[in-house]
This record gives sequence, C-alpha cells and structure tokens, in this order.
Amino acid sequence: TQLLEQSPQFLSIQEGENLTVYCNSSSVFSSLQWYRQEPGEGPVLLVTVVTGGEVKKLKRLTFQFGDARKDSSLHITAAQPGDTGLYLCAGALSASKIIFGSGTRLSIRP
Amino acid sequence: EAGVAQSPRYKIIEKRQSVAFWCNPISGHATLYWYQQILGQGPKLLIQFQNNGVVDDSQLPKDRFSAERLKGVDSTLKIQPAKLEDSAVYLCASTQKGTSGRVEQFFGPGTRLTVL
Repeated sequence: TQLLEQSPQFLSIQEGENLTVYCNSSSVFSSLQWYRQEPGEGPVLLVTVVTGGEVKKLKRLTFQFGDARKDSSLHITAAQPGDTGLYLCAGALSASKIIFGSGTRLSIRP
Repeated sequence: EAGVAQSPRYKIIEKRQSVAFWCNPISGHATLYWYQQILGQGPKLLIQFQNNGVVDDSQLPKDRFSAERLKGVDSTLKIQPAKLEDSAVYLCASTQKGTSGRVEQFFGPGTRLTVL
C-alpha cells in the first residue's frame, strides 16, 4: 500500500512565526505537488517539484523535494493570517497514479 | 481559461435517496478524477477517467456509486442509495497530459453533500 504521511495534522501558531510541514513516503515520486485549500473551495495548486533536491520559492513559502524524491517539505516564513488553510501534498507515482497526504490544517492567530 | 465546473455546490438528502453530481473539466483535459473528501482530511480517489475510459475505480463503492464520462468531456457521479457516511465534499479534478512526470490537477469548487 502506497502511503504519503503528512505532519503535523494540525498547527496553530502566532502571526510572524515560522513553520514547516512535512510529507514522507517510502515510494519514489516522479513529481510532487503542494496544494492549499480554503473552506468551501477546491484545492489550489501552489507548486510542483520534479527533481530530487529541488527547492522552489513562492514569496514566503519554500518548497523542497528530497534527494531521493520520497519526501518533501513546505516552510513558511513569517506566517500571516492569510496563510490559514488546509495544506495538501500529492505525489505522482506515475502519470496515472496520484496519492494525497492527509493534510495539515494551519491556523495563524493575529 | 475557464476552470473546472461542478454542480450543484450543495445538496442535502435523506438516507436511501439518490443524488447525482456533474463536472465539466477544463477544455482539452483528457484525464478526469472524482474524489471524496471527508471534513479536514485529504481527498480520496473514487474514480479516474482517461477520455471516456476508466483508469482506476478500485476505491469506488460499486454497490452504490457509479460514474460515467460518455463523450470524454463532462462527467456525472451518482450515489444510489445514499448512506449517512456518504456525507462529504465531492471534488472533481482534471489534468492535461504533462511532461517530465508532472501531473498537475486543477480542482473544481466541490459539491458538499449532507445525508440526513
């Protein structure tokens, strides 16, 4: 059974703090996507990482793909209330097989 | 470019009733997915279509759920009869054929189903 474990499940921090969310698997992915989902909406794609060791930055968000392409992290610097939401990672085992993590619910307190 | 369209946005039914959801993917996207998302959890794949053919329906409860994509464009997902545990958000997503292993899904807003 292929699993993508995401941690932590919940995170509540103060505005201005930093945080990291992790996705780990024993499977190798051809690519990995991070999504953010707000209440009442579908997930929205934030980034795709493809190459082992790849680092991508999106303003205050930094995404890293593990060297072996089995894990990934999302780091947010100086979190803001607008970062609140459900963060999901999704790994592509092939062009036709995608597995989702269980999600990290992030709450930023003003 | 128009996004993935879904309807209805909300549906409330009683258990044992039937319900149908509709999805229109982004134009030109060959692959269409239906997911079930329980509150606060990650999406669970129900069925995946490539054009009008089924690629993966291994997690679809086939005794009560059915889906079709007859012309390879829009799709419907049906539940008959519904159970209380079917209360969830049903998400539709589509992808175009990517390169270099990239599979980027675009999601619709979802249909929130409440079964009473």
